[in-house]
Amino acid sequence: DVKVTQSSRYLVKRTGEKVFLECVQDMDHENMFWYRQDPGLGLRLIYFSYDVKMKEKGDIPEGYSVSREKKERFSLILESASTNQTSMYLCASSFPSSLTDTQYFGPGTRLTVL
Amino acid sequence: SQKIEQNSEALNIQEGKTATLTCNYTNYSPAYLQWYRQDPGRGPVFLLLIRENEKEKRKERLKVTFDTTLKQSLFHITASQPADSATYLCALGMGGGNKLTFGTGTQLKVEL
Repeated sequence: DVKVTQSSRYLVKRTGEKVFLECVQDMDHENMFWYRQDPGLGLRLIYFSYDVKMKEKGDIPEGYSVSREKKERFSLILESASTNQTSMYLCASSFPSSLTDTQYFGPGTRLTVL
Repeated sequence: SQKIEQNSEALNIQEGKTATLTCNYTNYSPAYLQWYRQDPGRGPVFLLLIRENEKEKRKERLKVTFDTTLKQSLFHITASQPADSATYLCALGMGGGNKLTFGTGTQLKVEL
């Protein structure tokens, strides 16, 4: 079974703090993604990565950065957390395929910024 | 602009009935469409994929249709059970190892 794990299920941080969210997958997938999910807005893509040290902006990259130093690990960084970044953060991975692109998700991290 | 629409209102049905969820899209030409299930506080889980040249796909009690002319997919759960209660997301993909674009999801509640 594909397993995607995220470093924390719940996180509470203060405004202005630097926040690291980590994601690890064990299926040797090339592709990894970070989403945030908010009520009424659905899943919105923040950043994705097709390979080690490669990254591309998604739909809402402002206020975020990412790091992918190893194939299995994809980190999301909030440089200076703000209250509007309170959300559920979901990581996903996939094997690049022209036929499916099925994504496997982690359990999510619910981040609250006070 | 590109848009994917799913019913924002929750769908309540009685156990044993067939649940039908809708996914409409505009300004896309997807290579395939996927359906995911999401339980509260959890990440989405893949259920079914249907390609642009397929009309219908089945898996146990699940059935998906894909009409590229209407730009619509229907997701059916037959003989629904309370355990089917969850939010269901559709996602469109262009293929080629690319990213997916998700709808906002429809919450399904199956009552006894």
